[in-house]
Amino acid sequence: DIQMTQSPSSLSASVGDRVTITCRASQSISNYLNWYQQKPGKAPNLLIYAASSLQSGVPSRFSGSGSGTDFTLTISSLQPEDFATYYCQQGYSTPQKTFGQGTKVEIK
Amino acid sequence: EVQLVESGGGLIQPGGSLRLSCAASGFTVSSHYMSWVRQAPGKGLEWVSVIYSGGSTYYADSVKGRFTISRDNSRNTVYLQMNSLRAEDTAVYYCVNSGTRSTSPFDYWGQGTLVTVSS
Repeated sequence: DIQMTQSPSSLSASVGDRVTITCRASQSISNYLNWYQQKPGKAPNLLIYAASSLQSGVPSRFSGSGSGTDFTLTISSLQPEDFATYYCQQGYSTPQKTFGQGTKVEIK
Repeated sequence: EVQLVESGGGLIQPGGSLRLSCAASGFTVSSHYMSWVRQAPGKGLEWVSVIYSGGSTYYADSVKGRFTISRDNSRNTVYLQMNSLRAEDTAVYYCVNSGTRSTSPFDYWGQGTLVTVSS
């Protein structure tokens, strides 16, 4: 099974900050990497698919990059509604599409 | 508009059985890959099972032999039959439209249904 490791596990940031979250796969997954945002009590929401493609309706301050084993989710200017937990997911090794452990973005 | 509505969760004793339902609208479940993903309280996301459009089914090792995914095309509904439930199966279970290809992202999620396994 492919393991997905996110870092950091949590971070504190202020509104307007640039935030970067990293996801590393235990083996190459090409660009089959998705990012999700989850707010408390809600289902996850797809932000980025295929490593860098922005899902329809997602603000352009979110961006993704990377290929192979190393990936990054960047929020260019953190907004109040962005405080949430973010998960990466590999879509390369199917059917078991494993998730990272999550990164909680909190208010500083 | 795509909608997924789960039901069937609740409190169940260890060793018991429960069947979750996921009623879909806005698309046809038989043409899509449909997955179940769970989240234990305060924990991360765990993929549980998938049924492909062709009917093939797959399971996480943690539930293999105990859970069965199925669908009723006439009702446009997906099910997760959960047997021999354990305390570690306690979680919110999400039904997910996982696209039309094996590599598709999970772009539509239900609101989730809580399963609590406890005596």
